[in-house]
Order: sequence, then C-alpha cells, then structure tokens
Amino acid sequence: GQQLNQSPQSMFIQEGEDVSMNCTSSSIFNTWLWYKQDPGEGPVLLIALYKAGELTSNGRLTAQFGITRKDSFLNISASIPSDVGIYFCAGRGNTGNQFYFGTGTSLTVIP
Amino acid sequence: ETGVTQTPRHLVMGMTNKKSLKCEQHLGHNAMYWYKQSAKKPLELMFVYNFKEQTENNSVPSRFSPECPNSSHLFLHLHTLQPEDSALYLCASSQDLNRGPANYGYTFGSGTRLTVV
Repeated sequence: GQQLNQSPQSMFIQEGEDVSMNCTSSSIFNTWLWYKQDPGEGPVLLIALYKAGELTSNGRLTAQFGITRKDSFLNISASIPSDVGIYFCAGRGNTGNQFYFGTGTSLTVIP
Repeated sequence: ETGVTQTPRHLVMGMTNKKSLKCEQHLGHNAMYWYKQSAKKPLELMFVYNFKEQTENNSVPSRFSPECPNSSHLFLHLHTLQPEDSALYLCASSQDLNRGPANYGYTFGSGTRLTVV
C-alpha cells in the first residue's frame, strides 16, 4: 500500500507554544484528512482538504494541502493541555476509495 | 444514541475461542469499515462495506470474518486468533463510497481493545 511518513513521531512542548507537523507521501493525493485520537478513543476528524494549496482552519488548528499534492501540514497555535493526543494524517489518490493513514504524531503538552 | 458505537470496549480471548465484535452507527451512513490499529503502525484497512455489500477485503486472514446485515450494523467474527492479532480494532462509517468531497470523512468508533492470550 501507500506509505505516508509523518513527522515528528512525537513532540513535547510547553503550554502556549505553537506546534507544526507534516505528512508526506510517495504519490499524489487528491484528498488529505487530519485526525486526532485521544487515549482510549477512536480518531476524530479535525480538518479535510480537497485541493492543492488549500488552507483550512478549525479554531486554533490550521492545515494546508501542499502544492506538490504529496504533502500536508498541520499547525496548532497556542497549545493547551487538551491538545494532548495522537494526530494522524490520511490521504487518498485518484484510484480506488481507500484512505491511507500515517503512523501518527504523539503530542504532549506540559502545563 | 448518535455516532458510532463499538462493543465490547475490551476483550481478552484464548486462541481457541470464538468471539464477535459489534459496531453500530446511527448517522444514516451507508459505508462501514473495519480497521486494525497496532502500536507504532499506521491504521490498517481490513474490510469495507458499501450498502451492505463487501467492496474490499484487504488480504485479511480468514480467521477474521466480517458480517454486515444492514447499513447500520457491522460485525467482525473472530476464531482461532493468534497473539499477534492483539490490537485496537476500529469501526468507521461514512456517507458512502461514491459521494463528493463533503462526505469523504470517516466517523470512527472508540474501538475494541483485543488481547489474544
């Protein structure tokens, strides 16, 4: 299947700091999704992106669909303790219906 | 009740046992999915159902057997599992496979934490 590389694998930051993470694929995608998974729960959709260059916000979260269509970025501004969790990217190309998921970025926010 | 509900939340089973995982969604969605989540690995798609018809089996061993009696319910029947099958099994749903971009997102359940001993 498709390989999605997410980085960094984990982050430890102070409350109030901004966070940046990214996801890259070996092939072109038409849709990028960003999910957050809290401990003991399933992933929850944060942001969906549908065209190259698109920049979409959801509160303090902003995600971008990379111009090359092989990457996507997620930024969190002014982090708070409830931002703790694992953030997953997912992407889909123009063949088939399957979304491929990254391995996740684990975020820890230190109060 | 709304969203995607999975039961049980936790399951411990022996390698010779037969058990079933249940997923139920009240979102009016027509596509349902089983994913396997193992530590340090990406989510692995196992099965896809669209309007009760199985559209994808991602080379899953036959010891996992899905069943979708209607668009709201999805089961995963388990038998003679191996310890390496221990993982979090997530169910998800979406509007269907063929709608436009607004319906691409999945809604996930909270998962069943399976331990095979």
